Amino acid sequence: DAGVIQSPRHEVTEMGQEVTLRCKPISGHNSLFWYRQTMMRGLELLIYFNNNVPIDDSGMPEDRFSAKMPNASFSTLKIQPSEPRDSAVYFCASSSSGGYNEQFFGPGTRLTVL
Amino acid sequence: AQSVTQPDIHITVSEGASLELRCNYSYGATPYLFWYVQSPGQGLQLLLKYFSGDTLVQGIKGFEAEFKRSQSSFNLRKPSVHWSDAAEYFCAVGGSDYKLSFGAGTTVTVRA
Repeated sequence: DAGVIQSPRHEVTEMGQEVTLRCKPISGHNSLFWYRQTMMRGLELLIYFNNNVPIDDSGMPEDRFSAKMPNASFSTLKIQPSEPRDSAVYFCASSSSGGYNEQFFGPGTRLTVL
Repeated sequence: AQSVTQPDIHITVSEGASLELRCNYSYGATPYLFWYVQSPGQGLQLLLKYFSGDTLVQGIKGFEAEFKRSQSSFNLRKPSVHWSDAAEYFCAVGGSDYKLSFGAGTTVTVRA
């Protein structure tokens, strides 16, 4: 079975540019999470979707960040405009409602904003 | 609110030696507990999990963990480490809602 798929794996962009990260959750999973990992702050939950609906976006750092889940098999995290402090590894994870919170992680997107 | 503390930021262990990583959690009810491993440049992979029942759980790659309610701990152990066990290890706690709270992680270095 395919796991969580993220694209791109690496993204290098310049400050001010728009960045879109993509995620395909595991088929049948109804919960999706976006995390950000940095050396300074560790693993932070940005936003959580359940059945394609955003449930908790309290971790989104500011209005420059937005996330969508138009259907059960696709989600995007957009940063516009990007800033150097957004440089991090962004992970997508998915889980099923009967999975006791067990989350399955994608390989991550390493974002570098110059 | 739930939280996890991993007291050791970095541990160095010789290949073939035993390894124990500490994890303490805070949660008001029966927790769901997890250990994840992250190799360099990779995502997080689930090593093992505890939901209920036997407090000693076995995971992949020869790892095991023991849930001790009285100590609010869920320590990870491996009897004999391999060079490939060098990675970062995260303990996480979940409960009745959707969230997992992760510890800050412990980096394991394996020396020959």
